[in-house]
Amino acid sequence: DAGVIQSPRHEVTEMGQEVTLRCKPISGHNSLFWYRQTMMRGLELLIYFNNNVPIDDSGMPEDRFSAKMPNASFSTLKIQPSEPRDSAVYFCASSITGGRTGELFFGEGSRLTVL
Amino acid sequence: AQRVTQPEKLLSVFKGAPVELKCNYSYSGSPELFWYVQYSRQRLQLLLRHISRESIKGFTADLNKGETSFHLKKPFAQEEDSAMYYCALLGAGSYQLTFGKGTKLSVIP
Repeated sequence: DAGVIQSPRHEVTEMGQEVTLRCKPISGHNSLFWYRQTMMRGLELLIYFNNNVPIDDSGMPEDRFSAKMPNASFSTLKIQPSEPRDSAVYFCASSITGGRTGELFFGEGSRLTVL
Repeated sequence: AQRVTQPEKLLSVFKGAPVELKCNYSYSGSPELFWYVQYSRQRLQLLLRHISRESIKGFTADLNKGETSFHLKKPFAQEEDSAMYYCALLGAGSYQLTFGKGTKLSVIP
């Protein structure tokens, strides 16, 4: 298995543009997490899906952020409109145990720069 | 609220010297603690968990509930240990890992 696959690896965009980040979890994993990493705040959980259903989106910063998981093998995180403060590395992670063992498998991350 | 604190952003040690990466936590119940590691150009990955009480790549970590600490230790550092290390906490019955901000370990040859 290639592990969790994220795209794009790097994205540079201008303020106000829409950004879509994509994630393919490991086959057979039933849980998916989106994290955001910044220098100031470290790794923060944005949203958690279990069996394709959003369970906890309390970490989503505001209405400009949205996430979907239309099927077990694909998820998107969308920012519209983007702002410079959204610049960060966004990680997707999946788990076979709903995250309850603490073992998450991370993707390589998508580095977003909003100018 | 649960919180994980890693007081050192950067730790530099010489090859062969002992290493201790500090982690303190705040949690009212009985947590599970983990260390994750990210080597250069690699993914963040689980290194070890306290319930396993195992040694991985020579690293060990003991949960000290009295001091609310979970420090990562290795008696003799190797150059390949250079990486970012993150301490993480999982609350009882939870799915949400709370991460510390990480410590960058640099092993000097």
